[in-house]
Amino acid sequence: EADIYQTPRYLVIGTGKKITLECSQTMGHDKMYWYQQDPGMELHLIHYSYGVNSTEKGDLSSESTVSRIRTEHFPLTLESARPSHTSQYLCASTGRGHFSSTDTQYFGPGTRLTVL
Amino acid sequence: RKEVEQDPGPFNVPEGATVAFNCTYSNSASQSFFWYRQDCRKEPKLLMSVYSSGNEDGRFTAQLNRASQYISLLIRDSKLSDSATYLCVVNKVGYSTLTFGKGTMLLVSP
Repeated sequence: EADIYQTPRYLVIGTGKKITLECSQTMGHDKMYWYQQDPGMELHLIHYSYGVNSTEKGDLSSESTVSRIRTEHFPLTLESARPSHTSQYLCASTGRGHFSSTDTQYFGPGTRLTVL
Repeated sequence: RKEVEQDPGPFNVPEGATVAFNCTYSNSASQSFFWYRQDCRKEPKLLMSVYSSGNEDGRFTAQLNRASQYISLLIRDSKLSDSATYLCVVNKVGYSTLTFGKGTMLLVSP
């Protein structure tokens, strides 16, 4: 079973607040990803990282930012939350770590964000 | 043309039925193919990788047709617990990322 964690699982916050969504994995994976998914809709890649100090923008433009200072940690930050940011945010990882040898992506449980 | 296309369904089938989903992809250079399963309001989970020669995992069979650029998933003897959305996934050529289809919803009824 993949070990990838996201906190918080649910977050309701007011407009204008700064928020950080946490994602950690203990598999030693080098590549990590953030996706955004609205209910009943497809996954959209918003950020990814090849490894420490590497970050790239994904297919869907996002006002969020990410950092990768440690291999196991890939937080996503919104400087000023807006109602349009309401969505589910899913973190994933892959790579030749402790428990995998393919490019299969393993997902965390997601953070369901609601901005009022 | 979208990179990965799937029929959104829903496919409504009775328990015990056999059901098949297809998916087409646009980039002939794609090398990695997967089927993921996503339950309502949950994260996607890998169901199976798809290999060139086709592969089977219990009641599930995946096939790849490179000439026609489509992937299929066959589920035999459907169970109620198979009800979910099935995502067709293809690697994005030139990047270490995956492209997910919108998914096909399956509803298995008693």
